[in-house]
Amino acid sequence: GDSVTQMEGPVTLSEEAFLTINCTYTATGYPSLFWYVQYPGEGLQLLLKATKADDKGSNKGFEATYRKETTSFHLEKGSVQVSDSAVYFCALRNNAGNMLTFGGGTRLMVKP
Amino acid sequence: DTGVSQDPRHKITKRGQNVTFRCDPISEHNRLYWYRQTLGQGPEFLTYFQNEAQLEKSRLLSDRFSAERPKGSFSTLEIQRTEQGDSAMYLCASSPDGATNEKLFFGSGTQLSVL
Repeated sequence: GDSVTQMEGPVTLSEEAFLTINCTYTATGYPSLFWYVQYPGEGLQLLLKATKADDKGSNKGFEATYRKETTSFHLEKGSVQVSDSAVYFCALRNNAGNMLTFGGGTRLMVKP
Repeated sequence: DTGVSQDPRHKITKRGQNVTFRCDPISEHNRLYWYRQTLGQGPEFLTYFQNEAQLEKSRLLSDRFSAERPKGSFSTLEIQRTEQGDSAMYLCASSPDGATNEKLFFGSGTQLSVL
């Protein structure tokens, strides 16, 4: 079945550091890929998405590129802020189904 | 847009009791999903509604679990004869039909603790 694997956290960075959170997936066909973010005390919300190979999703300074050859969708940000502290979830939706399959989440802590 | 609302926020119950959670999706969102999230894990899909029709159910959804969406608006998730392993955050999400249906809007969840 479909699965998503993320790097384990927590990831602790200083403000303005470069961020990478690795995500790889296993799926049949050509899934759509997502990053969701969960800020403290809030529900999950979509951060960015990519629907086909080589697409780049971007939002709020975050980027991720759909790499079919490596089955990866790594999240990057050039300069993190304290307000980026949250849990980040990589997810996929197989075009044959209606639900999202999530990775285990990676907690990011950014220190001033 | 008031967002997805879930009630209650927290529920503590004793093993063997029945519990029911409610989800009010964003109005006009035809699709409604239930997920379960345990500590340190990502959300796991439980079930999906298109309007009032329950179209998909996960193997995780044992016969003690039942979900309804009687009028295609709010939904309820009932767990009968709760077990300690049912302790988790139960998340509800909704989305519209069409090309934008890949963006799910999540509620803040109901945290269930079974003692």
